[in-house]
Amino acid sequence: GNSVTQMEGPVTLSEEAFLTINCTYTATGYPSLFWYVQYPGEGLQLLLKATKADDKGSNKGFEATYRKETTSFHLEKGSVQVSDSAVYFCALSSSMYSGGGADGLTFGKGTHLIIQP
Amino acid sequence: DGGITQSPKYLFRKEGQNVTLSCEQNLNHDAMYWYRQDPGQGLRLIYYSQIVNDFQKGDIAEGYSVSREKKESFPLTVTSAQKNPTAFYLCASSMAWGGGQPEAFFGQGTRLTVV
Repeated sequence: GNSVTQMEGPVTLSEEAFLTINCTYTATGYPSLFWYVQYPGEGLQLLLKATKADDKGSNKGFEATYRKETTSFHLEKGSVQVSDSAVYFCALSSSMYSGGGADGLTFGKGTHLIIQP
Repeated sequence: DGGITQSPKYLFRKEGQNVTLSCEQNLNHDAMYWYRQDPGQGLRLIYYSQIVNDFQKGDIAEGYSVSREKKESFPLTVTSAQKNPTAFYLCASSMAWGGGQPEAFFGQGTRLTVV
């Protein structure tokens, strides 16, 4: 079955530091890949996505590249801010064309990011 | 504005009671999902529905029930059979499977506490 593995943290960085959160996946065929962000007490917000190999998703200074050869989708940001403190989830959605199921997204366990001023 | 609305935001349940969590969307999405979130466990799928009047069990369906009588609505009932219901519950929706936009959109969540 599908699975997503990501570093769980907490990850603590100083403001303006470079951020990398690793994410690797196991899936059949060609899944779509996502990063979601969750602020305290709230639901998940879609941060960025990539739907095919070598695609780069980007939003609000965050980037992630779909690497099929390493089955990875690492999240990066060049200079983090205190307002980036949140929990980040990597997720995948199987393609129906590769025999995936219709049961929605598979999530990693989340990475708690803490940015100190 | 289009989106997903969950209510209530906070809910308290006594032992042995059934409670129903509401989820409404106006995104015209066919698919809807319920997830449970516990600290350190990520999101776990409870039930999902790809079309009106049809739904399927997820990974942790025991002690829960759902209905899908309207496209816009997917209420979740936490029954007295659920032994550990205290958790944060998230509803999501997406276009139909295979519809070309696989991302899911989430509501703000309902925090259920057993008292």
